[in-house]
Amino acid sequence: AQRVTQPEKLLSVFKGAPVELKCNYSYSGSPELFWYVQYSRQRLQLLLRHISRESIKGFTADLNKGETSFHLKKPFAQEEDSAMYYCALSIQGAQKLVFGQGTRLTINP
Amino acid sequence: GAGVSQSPSNKVTEKGKDVELRCDPISGHTALYWYRQSLGQGLEFLIYFQGNSAPDKSGLPSDRFSAERTGGSVSTLTIQRTQQEDSAVYLCASSGTVGQGGYTFGSGTRLTVV
Repeated sequence: AQRVTQPEKLLSVFKGAPVELKCNYSYSGSPELFWYVQYSRQRLQLLLRHISRESIKGFTADLNKGETSFHLKKPFAQEEDSAMYYCALSIQGAQKLVFGQGTRLTINP
Repeated sequence: GAGVSQSPSNKVTEKGKDVELRCDPISGHTALYWYRQSLGQGLEFLIYFQGNSAPDKSGLPSDRFSAERTGGSVSTLTIQRTQQEDSAVYLCASSGTVGQGGYTFGSGTRLTVV
């Protein structure tokens, strides 16, 4: 079965420190991976997708098919990065996203 | 509209009552999704509509849950005989690009069953 695992429910780092939110997936086919973010009192929104190979708000994520991972990274965390982050998997040919349980990131001043 | 609109934003209901949650997707978006967001459970897929195709109901947790989408636009999620475990935030999303996963989410309906 397809599954997305985010091993850390909570992650706390200091401002200016590097941050990495882990995401592992289970899928035998060709996956499409996404990161969604939900800031306090805001809607869940798309942060980035692996096919775009983009950097959004300083965040990047690389799909590693060998390790079945799609970790989200930022070299220097900012206080406004505090939010709930969800990793999601879109299965080829299917329409729905499978989400991980989310990681709550807190950036301490 | 400019975004995905959900109503009501909050709903408190008594156990055993029926509730209806509404979602108005972005105009022109053919795909519409319902998810449930529970504390510590992440986002749980409920149901998916794509154009005129039969909906994917594989995520509905019980036969007390049903959803419809009228005219390819507005969708209603109905929960019959609500239970306390139904308490959660119900999120609706729509997408205009098939298979690319770029959902636009609504702000959700927070359902509390007392």
